[in-house]
Amino acid sequence: ETGVTQTPRHLVMGMTNKKSLKCEQHLGHNAMYWYKQSAKKPLELMFVYNFKEQTENNSVPSRFSPECPNSSHLFLHLHTLQPEDSALYLCASSPGLAGGEGTDTQYFGPGTRLTVL
Amino acid sequence: AQSVTQPDIHITVSEGASLELRCNYSYGATPYLFWYVQSPGQGLQLLLKYFSGDTLVQGIKGFEAEFKRSQSSFNLRKPSVHWSDAAEYFCAVAPGYGGSQGNLIFGKGTKLSVKP
Repeated sequence: ETGVTQTPRHLVMGMTNKKSLKCEQHLGHNAMYWYKQSAKKPLELMFVYNFKEQTENNSVPSRFSPECPNSSHLFLHLHTLQPEDSALYLCASSPGLAGGEGTDTQYFGPGTRLTVL
Repeated sequence: AQSVTQPDIHITVSEGASLELRCNYSYGATPYLFWYVQSPGQGLQLLLKYFSGDTLVQGIKGFEAEFKRSQSSFNLRKPSVHWSDAAEYFCAVAPGYGGSQGNLIFGKGTKLSVKP
């Protein structure tokens, strides 16, 4: 149990589809993150939100569009994806971003396995 | 640039044997250090973390890790491995106090297999 849930757990979509991934954290945290995990590559940070404001966009293509309506919810809107975007997309949350013990510890959800055909 | 190296892609140990997973980092100051575990089809679970103080850190599931500044290492250990420990293990670093923007840098992971 991580306190971070993600839906759906699996998603298959065509290159012309539009879909959204949802993440919800029940930990009272203020920061949320999207990561991409591809085979044989390190986890790649995509986006960071702190108090609903985006603080990091790690050169992610515009076909990925994040949305953070409040500190508990994070979405990743997908459109016109490519087959190479197939991966496990992980959401995480942390108490905050500021330095100091404990505030940086990130807690992860189970991920959404995305397949783009 | 910060980086994390996990030199072993795949390790196989016998159940009951001891385990050490290696992690080296490259960073100018003392970073925050983490070990996460990922079971198949699951997200990452935090095993332990080091921020400051005692360089030997105890975590969940009987794991521990030792920070060695001189070697820029943060190796994960367990004295006796259980079959349920089979998973992938990730070492991660974040900038230390005052520098963090939530940017965790992960290694590529070490897959652990356990023989009966």
